[in-house]
Amino acid sequence: QKEVEQDPGPLSVPEGAIVSLNCTYSNSAFQYFMWYRQYSRKGPELLMYTYSSGNKEDGRFTAQVDKSSKYISLFIRDSQPSDSATYLCAMRHTGANSKLTFGKGITLSVRP
Amino acid sequence: DVKVTQSSRYLVKRTGEKVFLECVQDMDHENMFWYRQDPGLGLRLIYFSYDVKMKEKGDIPEGYSVSREKKERFSLILESASTNQTSMYLCASRQVSYEQYFGPGTRLTVT
Repeated sequence: QKEVEQDPGPLSVPEGAIVSLNCTYSNSAFQYFMWYRQYSRKGPELLMYTYSSGNKEDGRFTAQVDKSSKYISLFIRDSQPSDSATYLCAMRHTGANSKLTFGKGITLSVRP
Repeated sequence: DVKVTQSSRYLVKRTGEKVFLECVQDMDHENMFWYRQDPGLGLRLIYFSYDVKMKEKGDIPEGYSVSREKKERFSLILESASTNQTSMYLCASRQVSYEQYFGPGTRLTVT
């Protein structure tokens, strides 16, 4: 079993839809959870950064962590064509120099 | 704002050439990383560095080496480029225990 599994997609939604992106993981030591957005031919951009369980909201984006189920989600409300990108989940444990483990990413397309 | 810059956005090299990819960060971060990204394989860690002159192998170090002589600069070296090293190369940096930031990437083509 891979340490981090992410729905492979691709995903296509109409503008204005609520989007739910998900990752599951197997390592219970993971404590820090991130979502990156990557536009075509660009580097990943940090979107959300959360520690342990709970929700974090930033504008139209909400990150949710359920450590009991080893499941994280990113919700995008009122999706826009500019949200069309690849979304990567990433996580790591609490060690000071611990490395990130990434999902493979899902490509989202928001149709006008 | 954190700034991670990479020396080239696009690079074309011939098989057998020695290739240098440079990465510079301006936030005094201790940790720096080199990844490659390929379709279907995701991000794979090549090498990372916890501090100046320190380096550790990642998941796919074969065919690569690195150098970190100054805190802000982390170089990836392809000693003898091969066609299977055609890829998107991404540098990242991080203050210990904090968020990790990526550079814009270098798309390397080896012909």
